[in-house]
Amino acid sequence: SQQGEEDPQALSIQEGENATMNCSYKTSINNLQWYRQNSGRGLVHLILIRSNEREKHSGRLRVTLDTSKKSSSLLITASRAADTASYFCATDSAAGGTSYGKLTFGQGTILTVHP
Amino acid sequence: GAGVSQSPSNKVTEKGKDVELRCDPISGHTALYWYRQSLGQGLEFLIYFQGNSAPDKSGLPSDRFSAERTGGSVSTLTIQRTQQEDSAVYLCASSRQGTNGYTFGSGTRLTVV
Repeated sequence: SQQGEEDPQALSIQEGENATMNCSYKTSINNLQWYRQNSGRGLVHLILIRSNEREKHSGRLRVTLDTSKKSSSLLITASRAADTASYFCATDSAAGGTSYGKLTFGQGTILTVHP
Repeated sequence: GAGVSQSPSNKVTEKGKDVELRCDPISGHTALYWYRQSLGQGLEFLIYFQGNSAPDKSGLPSDRFSAERTGGSVSTLTIQRTQQEDSAVYLCASSRQGTNGYTFGSGTRLTVV
């Protein structure tokens, strides 16, 4: 079953606007991570939020986590054309005992930022 | 090395041939993961290594897929008798203990014709 599901599937905005992407998941988690992928190749780790955290910031990124709703959001403020990429959430599930870092990825949100 | 290195970056092979994909993780990263990404899709877990052992290989799609890791470092993913549905980008990632996020390689784009 799909653990992480992002919405929207695609988002198109103008440079300078904020971009918000959402992620929902089904099972209990140890942490939730966001990754960025350019041109369908390697992913870059952006930010990790643990299950006991509610909000985390890193530069222009803000991530929130609501474990009661099993959802997370990624906000990119003051977007730039260079932010154009696919963004994935990934969950480290707490089920089955000690986590070893296996991640379950969602389908991703394609973000396009127009100059 | 400074990052996770994968080779080849692209591989075109004929249906029925065997292929071997290589991953060289960051030095000191004991955890290594293989994922597969089909066109326009999210990542599908294949196998996890801790050191040289693979405690979780539950994502390998069939017995045509195998992987090994030697010296706690380099890993190879082997696909035997390739099929067209094996076409995808194969991504390798490593981490220290799997708790603080992965570092991914750039992937191997496999095309089976």
